[in-house]
Amino acid sequence: ETGVTQTPRHLVMGMTNKKSLKCEQHLGHNAMYWYKQSAKKPLELMFVYNFKEQTENNSVPSRFSPECPNSSHLFLHLHTLQPEDSALYLCASSQGATGIGTGAGTQYFGPGTRLTVL
Amino acid sequence: GEDVEQSLFLSVREGDSSVINCTYTDSSSTYLYWYKQEPGAGLQLLTYIFSNMDMKQDQRLTVLLNKKDKHLSLRIADTQTGDSAIYFCAEMTRNNDMRFGAGTRLTVKP
Repeated sequence: ETGVTQTPRHLVMGMTNKKSLKCEQHLGHNAMYWYKQSAKKPLELMFVYNFKEQTENNSVPSRFSPECPNSSHLFLHLHTLQPEDSALYLCASSQGATGIGTGAGTQYFGPGTRLTVL
Repeated sequence: GEDVEQSLFLSVREGDSSVINCTYTDSSSTYLYWYKQEPGAGLQLLTYIFSNMDMKQDQRLTVLLNKKDKHLSLRIADTQTGDSAIYFCAEMTRNNDMRFGAGTRLTVKP
């Protein structure tokens, strides 16, 4: 148990559906991240939020829409996805990007949501 | 190089030692990490080492850091079947960004 939870753990959706992934961290952290992990590919960083502000968006298609209402919660809203979007979506949190060499960026991961798009 | 690099696969026999190697990119990286991912799960922080150290031991795990060559290794002594997983190497840059390798799949045979 890392203190980062994700729901649902598994999701199957059609290409025309709208769904949301939820992440919650109980570590008092200020930064949260979404990653995509596809089979046989490296981890892909999708979005970064620091103190509720989005600080990174790695050219992610607009069919993925993140939302960070507070430092403890992060959502990923999904609509009109493609079959190639099927993957494990991982959420992580860290203390926040302050202080060089403090280790404040050490990331703790949730268990992931296994998404299948039909 | 631009990427954190690791071998994709390693297979060992139960009871042997496993050594997983990694080459990272930034000589000014402050922390180096090993994460473990079991099937169907997220990444679990296994251990980390601060860049001013060259070795860290934690029970069956030994981390070695060669800053000159930007080389990190993880040695697992007396490897068990429960150690079968994907192991990710990661570095933290000076501005607290983390970069991950592609992961090494460790298979432990009985």
